[in-house]
Amino acid sequence: DAKTTQPPSMDCAEGRAANLPCNHSTISGNEYVYWYRQIHSQGPQYIIHGLKNNETNEMASLIITEDRKSSTLILPHATLRDTAVYYCIVRVALYNTDKLIFGTGTRLQVFP
Amino acid sequence: AAGVIQSPRHLIKEKRETATLKCYPIPRHDTVYWYQQGPGQDPQFLISFYEKMQSDKGSIPDRFSAQQFSDYHSELNMSSLELGDSALYFCASSLLGQERGGSETQYFGPGTRLLVL
Repeated sequence: DAKTTQPPSMDCAEGRAANLPCNHSTISGNEYVYWYRQIHSQGPQYIIHGLKNNETNEMASLIITEDRKSSTLILPHATLRDTAVYYCIVRVALYNTDKLIFGTGTRLQVFP
Repeated sequence: AAGVIQSPRHLIKEKRETATLKCYPIPRHDTVYWYQQGPGQDPQFLISFYEKMQSDKGSIPDRFSAQQFSDYHSELNMSSLELGDSALYFCASSLLGQERGGSETQYFGPGTRLLVL
């Protein structure tokens, strides 16, 4: 079973920031938080991951709470092409070949 | 940058036929994962290989088998196909110990859409 809880759907206006929350209250000390998205039937696309520090890359920012029990993925300026299902996944990632366990994700709809 | 390649992209088979899906990982990647995504469902893990050895196994039917070859490409063989096997099949690859902190990010291919009639 997935170890994360996400809202099933969210809306966001184009050009605004999209903030996608994720709860992972049972996360272990050696588990990372990964975010992927899937745009209609395409292969899941890696977005970002982190352990305990906030992370930022060209796609998004990841904010992890100090107790690591929740996180937020931020798309700073959402576009229509960001409409997708966003998956938050926790996984041991240190010299590990463990599978990804997908939950139901958040369906983000960006509207004009 | 080179990505994961999957072939074929689309496949139509009759019930009880066999199918072979191929996956070519990102160059230098040593681990391959297979996932199945049924209509309206989320991706589910099937099986993985690290350095040509099976590393993990999920809910993969006994009718399915897979292997990883010396050039690290992988094939998923599906026999006695059933209507319920109609799905998207994704392959992902990673490199053990490559990234910062040793985290192994999985990168996915575009998938093979299998339709069983």
